[in-house]
Amino acid sequence: DTAVSQTPKYLVTQMGNDKSIKCEQNLGHDTMYWYKQDSKKFLKIMFSYNNKELIINETVPNRFSPKSPDKAHLNLHINSLELGDSAVYFCASSPRRAGTNEKLFFGSGTQLSVL
Amino acid sequence: GESVGLHLPTLSVQEGDNSIINCAYSNSASDYFIWYKQESGKGPQFIIDIRSNMDKRQGQRVTVLLNKTVKHLSLQIAATQPGDSAVYFCAENPNGGSQGNLIFGKGTKLSVKP
Repeated sequence: DTAVSQTPKYLVTQMGNDKSIKCEQNLGHDTMYWYKQDSKKFLKIMFSYNNKELIINETVPNRFSPKSPDKAHLNLHINSLELGDSAVYFCASSPRRAGTNEKLFFGSGTQLSVL
Repeated sequence: GESVGLHLPTLSVQEGDNSIINCAYSNSASDYFIWYKQESGKGPQFIIDIRSNMDKRQGQRVTVLLNKTVKHLSLQIAATQPGDSAVYFCAENPNGGSQGNLIFGKGTKLSVKP
């Protein structure tokens, strides 16, 4: 029944490793996002996809690569993990059809700890 | 954005009192604003939204006020309950909804004392 689900919830890994976080939404939304929340709780957008097409790509290292196999899924792959990548990563979705509201529906987050 | 230091701004209220959480936004072109609530270990949850052609909107126990002159947004929670304890974020959409790129404020932690 979960609308936006992301896995895993916790991810602990060593520096230099490559890891992926998966996200799926069953709301039929057209747009999906990845946000990063740092230790001060500051939320910042990383990427946005609309119907599998990348529409927002903020200043994020190219070690981060989103992949959207279909509009219900947006995965985040991170190469060569660094200590500064430790954060909580949130997936979100929104209807984003013209004329509808823009509120986002968030997943429960993936806490990434890089050691 | 600017760093707010090591700790979130915190508002501590007694159960049953009203709470007012304030937010200053940055972009005078923003035309859509949202308040989110984030409980510990969870993702942000939508509370209430308001468009720039309004200055007040009410929900169940919550009211959002928008003052475009000073670029200020507030969230009022009536009869605050322990379950309201969370971090509250305001967010603005500076693109008129065309991009869905919400910009979040820094967050305020609300603690409700029983």
